[in-house]
Amino acid sequence: ELKVEQNPLFLSMQEGKNYTIYCNYSTTSDRLYWYRQDPGKSLESLFVLLSNGAVKQEGRLMASLDTKARLSTLHITAAVHDLSATYFCAVDEETSGSRLTFGEGTQLTVNP
Amino acid sequence: EPEVTQTPSHQVTQMGQEVILRCVPISNHLYFYWYRQILGQKVEFLVSFYNNEISEKSEIFDDQFSVERPDGSNFTLKIRSTKLEDSAMYFCASSEDRQYSPLHFGNGTRLTVT
Repeated sequence: ELKVEQNPLFLSMQEGKNYTIYCNYSTTSDRLYWYRQDPGKSLESLFVLLSNGAVKQEGRLMASLDTKARLSTLHITAAVHDLSATYFCAVDEETSGSRLTFGEGTQLTVNP
Repeated sequence: EPEVTQTPSHQVTQMGQEVILRCVPISNHLYFYWYRQILGQKVEFLVSFYNNEISEKSEIFDDQFSVERPDGSNFTLKIRSTKLEDSAMYFCASSEDRQYSPLHFGNGTRLTVT
């Protein structure tokens, strides 16, 4: 059974600071996705990482994938309040190709 | 930008009743999914659907659940006899392909079983 673990689960940070969210998974996969969810809202796709060494950046967020270590990171640079949300990583198992297993989510709060 | 739409946004039902949750996926997408999220917990896969049949389903998706694409635009999830533990947010999603595109999620239907 594929396990996807994120840490930290709760992150409170000040505006302007940098931080990294980690996503570990337990089986081989080269397809990993990051989503953002605002309270009571849907899941918004942030990044699609499809190969070892993939790095994607959008604004203050940068995601990377190391398939050998089975690890993805979501790095936040100079956080702003608007980034407050819950961030999920999700892994697509190689054998299925159509089923995402989500991590528990990291609830990020950026304080002014 | 095209989006996945779900109706209703909130459904309250009594235990044992049947519910149908409706979704209109993005029009050129070929793969359709249902996920659910129990309050405060992680998102769980229920079922994927392609070419008018189920391509994969999880252990949660038992005989009480069924999916259908009754016409060219709608995609429905039916729960035949709801239980209290079916209370959750149900998300429909669609994607262009199976492997390389992200899933686009709808805004969800909050199902409350009393």
